[in-house]
Amino acid sequence: DTEVTQTPKHLVMGMTNKKSLKCEQHMGHRAMYWYKQKAKKPPELMFVYSYEKLSINESVPSRFSPECPNSSLLNLHLHALQPEDSALYLCASSDRGSLSGYTFGSGTRLTVV
Amino acid sequence: GQQLNQSPQSMFIQEGEDVSMNCTSSSIFNTWLWYKQDPGEGPVLLIALYKAGELTSNGRLTAQFGITRKDSFLNISASIPSDVGIYFCAGLNYGGSQGNLIFGKGTKLSVKP
Repeated sequence: DTEVTQTPKHLVMGMTNKKSLKCEQHMGHRAMYWYKQKAKKPPELMFVYSYEKLSINESVPSRFSPECPNSSLLNLHLHALQPEDSALYLCASSDRGSLSGYTFGSGTRLTVV
Repeated sequence: GQQLNQSPQSMFIQEGEDVSMNCTSSSIFNTWLWYKQDPGEGPVLLIALYKAGELTSNGRLTAQFGITRKDSFLNISASIPSDVGIYFCAGLNYGGSQGNLIFGKGTKLSVKP
């Protein structure tokens, strides 16, 4: 299994809603990442988990809250988002020396209304 | 911070033409990656390069890791309509188990009208 699976594929939420994005990988990768991508731009790093511990938070607002329940799962909890948070949210995983490289999921298209 | 210069920014292709794009950096990377991204989807890894000077092919795709570890090119031979999309180069260095991935700004491939 060389995939990173993200759910849901699409999400529309109001500014007072609470929702969660989910990510799963079964490649045994020890690092997992959340990225945000706006149209026509490269992905921007938000969070890095290494060995299930948060190691990098790229100054992301607290309305985004990551969680890593185990080595295969990564969640991103969303609360009180703004319309400008609408974007494609990507999960990725990697491991040094892994032939599967640095692998991205297919993303969640988030629209905040 | 680290930056990758990717060129061209965009190009139009006619079926059957060869395509070339490249990335340069002021910093050294241990790994170079080339991704293709279709609208609304996550980046898909096309080719990973691990050794300076390495030349690797994947079907009609050929990529090289520059001898100085600061540049890479991607060639697509005999382009077909499904080659349209955005291509990203990315440089990767590992610190422990987590990767520090730096993206180029992308090359958008479109079909000639």
